[in-house]
Amino acid sequence: DAGVIQSPRHEVTEMGQEVTLRCKPISGHNSLFWYRQTMMRGLELLIYFNNNVPIDDSGMPEDRFSAKMPNASFSTLKIQPSEPRDSAVYFCASSLSSASNQPQHFGDGTRLSIL
Amino acid sequence: AQSVSQHNHHVILSEAASLELGCNYSYGGTVNLFWYVQYPGQHLQLLLKYFSGDPLVKGIKGFEAEFIKSKFSFNLRKPSVQWSDTAEYFCAVNALGTASKLTFGTGTRLQVTL
Repeated sequence: DAGVIQSPRHEVTEMGQEVTLRCKPISGHNSLFWYRQTMMRGLELLIYFNNNVPIDDSGMPEDRFSAKMPNASFSTLKIQPSEPRDSAVYFCASSLSSASNQPQHFGDGTRLSIL
Repeated sequence: AQSVSQHNHHVILSEAASLELGCNYSYGGTVNLFWYVQYPGQHLQLLLKYFSGDPLVKGIKGFEAEFIKSKFSFNLRKPSVQWSDTAEYFCAVNALGTASKLTFGTGTRLQVTL
């Protein structure tokens, strides 16, 4: 079975540019999560969706970050404009449902470098 | 809000040594607990999870963890580590009523030497 698929795997861009990260959750999974991982702050939850609806976006750092889930099989995380401090690995994860005992399955991540 | 503490940031062990990684959480209600592992350059993978029942949980690759409610702890153990266990280990907690939202600890980097 295909796992969570993220693209691109690596992104290098100059500050000020718009960055779009993509995620395809596991088919049949109803919850989707975006995380950011840095050496300084570890793994932080940015936002999560349940049935395509954003439930908690309290982890989104600022207005430059936005996330959408137009359908059950696709989500995007956008940064506009990007800044060097946004450099991190961004993970997408999905779970079968919003039940609290459902484990999350992670994608391979997007390593983002903002120059 | 719940929080998770992993006090060991970096652990170095020789092969065949025993491992115990600490994890403490702060939340007064019912929780579900998880350990994830991240091998170098890879994504996080579930090692084991605790929801209810026997507080000693066995996971993949010979790992186990014990939930001690009175200590708010969920320590990870392995009797004999292998070089291939070199990875970063994350403890995570989900508080009942917060859907499947996880709060992660900062991780423990385990380095196993030959």
